Amino acid sequence: SQTIHQWPATLVQPVGSPLSLECTVEGTSNPNLYWYRQAAGRGLQLLFYSVGIGQISSEVPQNLSASRPQDRQFILSSKKLLLSDSGFYLCAWRPRGVAQPQHFGDGTRLSIL
Amino acid sequence: DAKTTQPNSMESNEEEPVHLPCNHSTISGTDYIHWYRQLPSQGPEYVIHGLTSNVNNRMASLAIAEDRKSSTLILHRATLRDAAVYYCILREGMKTSYDKVIFGPGTSLSVIP
Repeated sequence: SQTIHQWPATLVQPVGSPLSLECTVEGTSNPNLYWYRQAAGRGLQLLFYSVGIGQISSEVPQNLSASRPQDRQFILSSKKLLLSDSGFYLCAWRPRGVAQPQHFGDGTRLSIL
Repeated sequence: DAKTTQPNSMESNEEEPVHLPCNHSTISGTDYIHWYRQLPSQGPEYVIHGLTSNVNNRMASLAIAEDRKSSTLILHRATLRDAAVYYCILREGMKTSYDKVIFGPGTSLSVIP
């Protein structure tokens, strides 16, 4: 069966520090991959999605970036975190195919001090 | 992208049925209707999806209006574990790779013991 791993679960970082969040999927190949951010009490904001290795589409201009170095690995990064980067970050994957549902990781709660 | 509108919040008594509405008046003929739910501090969880016909699974039922401009997620007997935010989204059926899925604020369901 397919599983998605996202880590760390919680992270506290100072303003201006770098960030690296990793997400991996097991049990499938060539998935679509997504990064979302959710502010407290709000809906999900799509940040990046990827349909293949090295193929990244950005939905929201900001100081975050994403990379997909391997088929089932998706990384969210920042060189310098801002206070506004605080939030709940979610990775998701879905198989290719018509209207296939997304499957989400457990999320990373990021607090910027 | 076609959008959906849902009530901000709803309440239900435990062990009673719950009908969660969703309006999608600009839905296109190839859009699938997906429902997810998100428990506190967790990633969203896929619930059900459909295109034209009503759908049932172990979690819920999905009733789709004949004109497809609205749908209703039905929880047959609400439990305290069903307290969550429920998202109704549309996914284009023709695009098996590229897709930008928009999650709105959803409906926050409270279940009263």
